[in-house]
Amino acid sequence: GQQVMQIPQYQHVQEGEDFTTYCNSSTTLSNIQWYKQRPGGHPVFLIQLVKSGEVKKQKRLTFQFGEAKKNSSLHITATQTTDVGTYFCAGQEGYGQNFVFGPGTRLSVLP
Amino acid sequence: GAGVSQTPSNKVTEKGKYVELRCDPISGHTALYWYRQSLGQGPEFLIYFQGTGAADDSGLPNDRFFAVRPEGSVSTLKIQRTERGDSAVYLCASSLTKSWGRAPNTGELFFGEGSRLTVL
Repeated sequence: GQQVMQIPQYQHVQEGEDFTTYCNSSTTLSNIQWYKQRPGGHPVFLIQLVKSGEVKKQKRLTFQFGEAKKNSSLHITATQTTDVGTYFCAGQEGYGQNFVFGPGTRLSVLP
Repeated sequence: GAGVSQTPSNKVTEKGKYVELRCDPISGHTALYWYRQSLGQGPEFLIYFQGTGAADDSGLPNDRFFAVRPEGSVSTLKIQRTERGDSAVYLCASSLTKSWGRAPNTGELFFGEGSRLTVL
């Protein structure tokens, strides 16, 4: 079945440093979503990518969908303490409606 | 309500007991998902409803787990003969399904706060 992996598992950065997490699917995706989960909270939607090679920006966050639609990345420029949390990618395969979540990357930001 | 509501927020039960977890999705959302999340892990898919029917129940771990959505709104996840390994946060999410050309694709998932199940 479809598997989604993320690296790194953990990332500790100093406030102001950049951060990147990578997501890889074992199968080609129709689209991919990114979520952020704060400690003790529930996943909150960040963005959805659909097109091959698509790049979207939200302020300091840049999301990219690979050309083969099997991988994606999230890059945060100049991290802030408010960026702390776990970032999950979730892939939807083909025309199916099930989203498979990756294990997440936990980001810690030291002030 | 404005968001997805899940009850109870916490449930402590003994091994072997029966448990029901309820999810009230955002009004008008046709898609409803159940996920299970253990500490330090990503949400694990259990079952997905489109309307009243289960469109995909391939994530249910065994026949002790069952979910219903009889009127296409509220859903109940039912766990029989609970085991200690069932302890986790059970997350419900709802979504609108958008039609993109011929292929329907799901929009963003709106998650509830989750129901934390502890089996002693």
